[in-house]
Amino acid sequence: ILNVEQSPQSLHVQEGDSTNFTCSFPSSNFYALHWYRWETAKSPEALFVMTLNGDEKKKGRISATLNTKEGYSYLYIKGSQPEDSATYLCAFRSSNTGKLIFGQGTTLQVKP
Amino acid sequence: DAGVIQSPRHEVTEMGQEVTLRCKPISGHNSLFWYRQTMMRGLELLIYFNNNVPIDDSGMPEDRFSAKMPNASFSTLKIQPSEPRDSAVYFCASSRTGNSGNTIYFGEGSWLTVV
Repeated sequence: ILNVEQSPQSLHVQEGDSTNFTCSFPSSNFYALHWYRWETAKSPEALFVMTLNGDEKKKGRISATLNTKEGYSYLYIKGSQPEDSATYLCAFRSSNTGKLIFGQGTTLQVKP
Repeated sequence: DAGVIQSPRHEVTEMGQEVTLRCKPISGHNSLFWYRQTMMRGLELLIYFNNNVPIDDSGMPEDRFSAKMPNASFSTLKIQPSEPRDSAVYFCASSRTGNSGNTIYFGEGSWLTVV
């Protein structure tokens, strides 16, 4: 069974705060790690696809790091804004099955 | 680029009826995924096709669920007979294969309510 765990489950921060979440995934048969941003009633929006140990990706105020040997990825948001409020999902793609398995997500609420 | 197109967007049906959900992947994508999203279980992978062939259907909950991909531009997910516990959002997603860095794109989902 492939287990993808995300923490915390939910997070409330003030506008301007920086925050980060964790995604844990199996350290074997790694193919790729995906991060998505998901707003209610919309489809998940791809943020990053990370494939190499030590990868760091950045998109505006959002960045992510990857450690495939120990099986974790961090997503950072610098200077959170109310429009960052969403559920952030990570997904592990296995090299032996090709499946994309999602974590339960971290729901972020940014208060103005 | 039209994106992944799903239909219907919303469906309300009575228990026991057949439900068919449709998906058109992005042109040129050869992997297609069906996911179900519920409050309790989050996003669950139901089935995964590669080059129109089902690779893994271990997530299909039971025999009432079936999925087909008759060609590269169309897939269906069918529930027969439907039950109230099937109420969920069903997402279709597609990607290219061959490169681990390929993004997987999601459709807007089909919101199913079985009463």
